[in-house]
Amino acid sequence: QVQLVQSGAEVKDPGASVKVSCKPSGYTFTDHYIHWVRQAPGQGLEWMSWIIPNSGDSKCAQRFQGRLTMTRDTSISTIYMELSGLTSDDTAIYYCTRGKYRYAYDYWGQGTLVTVSS
Amino acid sequence: QSALTQPASVSGSPGQSIAISCTGTSNDVGGSNSVSWYQQHPGKAPTLMIHEVNNRPSGVSDRFSGSKSGNTASLTISGLQAEDEGDYYCTSYTTIKTYVFGTGTKVTVL
Repeated sequence: QVQLVQSGAEVKDPGASVKVSCKPSGYTFTDHYIHWVRQAPGQGLEWMSWIIPNSGDSKCAQRFQGRLTMTRDTSISTIYMELSGLTSDDTAIYYCTRGKYRYAYDYWGQGTLVTVSS
Repeated sequence: QSALTQPASVSGSPGQSIAISCTGTSNDVGGSNSVSWYQQHPGKAPTLMIHEVNNRPSGVSDRFSGSKSGNTASLTISGLQAEDEGDYYCTSYTTIKTYVFGTGTKVTVL
């Protein structure tokens, strides 16, 4: 069965960086885009980025340009999302999700809580 | 890229129909048939309900349907049931190859 397993919760100081991993299984790693979506406490969903696992090409929302880096390691079928210059506004649950059909997302990771606090 | 606009809350009695709107611009909702809808229950990851405006994935009840006119998309839930309570989000692809979510709508079954 399809699963996306993410790395565990993180607590970071303001100004630091965080790197969250997402390991899909149950399908061919290179067949689907991976997207990152975050949700601040009590708030709505926010799309952050997509990455093409085959090529490594990626695109992020304009508000994250310059501080969001998407990478992948095809040898271990894992996607990474690294966000730098953290502020308290970045405290959120970060989800990876698989692209499906032309513009949707079907399977989601369990979410990774990132807390930014001094 | 601004979030798509959804009503904060919509409510209805069991058996009724409700509709949730999702308003964007010609750069997102109006620019392609890419709108999808997600249901989210507290503490859970979202679940895909509708893709490409009006397509239901297998396993999703046919009580859920979608439509679009111009820059506004809509999700209709017919025969409202208690299990339909939750938060609903629309999302759209944009002309600059990004995505944008709606502000979210809390559905309450009275």
